[in-house]
Amino acid sequence: QKEVEQNSGPLSVPEGAIASLNCTYSDRGSQSFFWYRQYSGKSPELIMFIYSNGDKEDGRFTAQLNKASQYVSLLIRDSQPSDSATYLCAEMDDYKLSFGAGTTVTVRA
Amino acid sequence: DAGVTQSPTHLIKTRGQQVTLRCSPKSGHDTVSWYQQALGQGPQFIFQYYEEEERQRGNFPDRFSGHQFPNYSSELNVNALLLGDSALYLCASTGQGRYGYTFGSGTRLTVV
Repeated sequence: QKEVEQNSGPLSVPEGAIASLNCTYSDRGSQSFFWYRQYSGKSPELIMFIYSNGDKEDGRFTAQLNKASQYVSLLIRDSQPSDSATYLCAEMDDYKLSFGAGTTVTVRA
Repeated sequence: DAGVTQSPTHLIKTRGQQVTLRCSPKSGHDTVSWYQQALGQGPQFIFQYYEEEERQRGNFPDRFSGHQFPNYSSELNVNALLLGDSALYLCASTGQGRYGYTFGSGTRLTVV
C-alpha cells in the first residue's frame, strides 16, 4: 500500500513570510509528484508537478524533490492571504494519484 | 475551453438508495478517474476509465461501479448507499502526457 504523509497542520504564517510544506512517500520507485491547492468547499487545483531531483520554481512557488530521502516539499514565498487553503501532496503511479491528507495553511494579514 | 464538468453539484439520498454521478472530461482528455474525498481527508482513488474500460480500481467495494462512454464522459454509480458514503466525489481527467489531472468541481453527496 503506497502511502503519502504530509506534515500535520494547520500551519499559520504571517503575510509576506515563507510557508514550508513537507511530504514523505513510501514507494522508493515513485517518479512523479504533484502539489494541489484546495480552497474550502472547492475542488483541488494543480499548482506544480515535479519528477526530477532538485528544485522547480514557478512564481512564488518552489517544489523540491529528494528521491534518496523520499520527500517532497513546497515553499510558498511572500505568502498572501489568498494562499490560505489546504495543500495536497500526491504521487502518481501507473496514472493513479495517491494523496496525502493535506496541510491547511492560514496566512495572517 | 470547458474544464471538467460534473453533475449534479449536490445530492441528498437515503440509506439503501442508488445514485448516479456524471462527469464530462476536459476537451482533449480521454482518461477519467473518480475520487472520494471525506471531510478533512485527501481524495481517495475509486477507479479509472480509459477507452471505455476500467483500467484500475482502488480499495472500494463492488457497490461502486462506473462506465465510460465513446465521447469519454463517465458515470459513477453507487448502490445500497451507506451513511459512510457521504463525501465529495471528484472526477478528474487527463490526456496525452498525463502530467497531473484536472479536477471537476465535484458532487457533494449526503446520505441520510
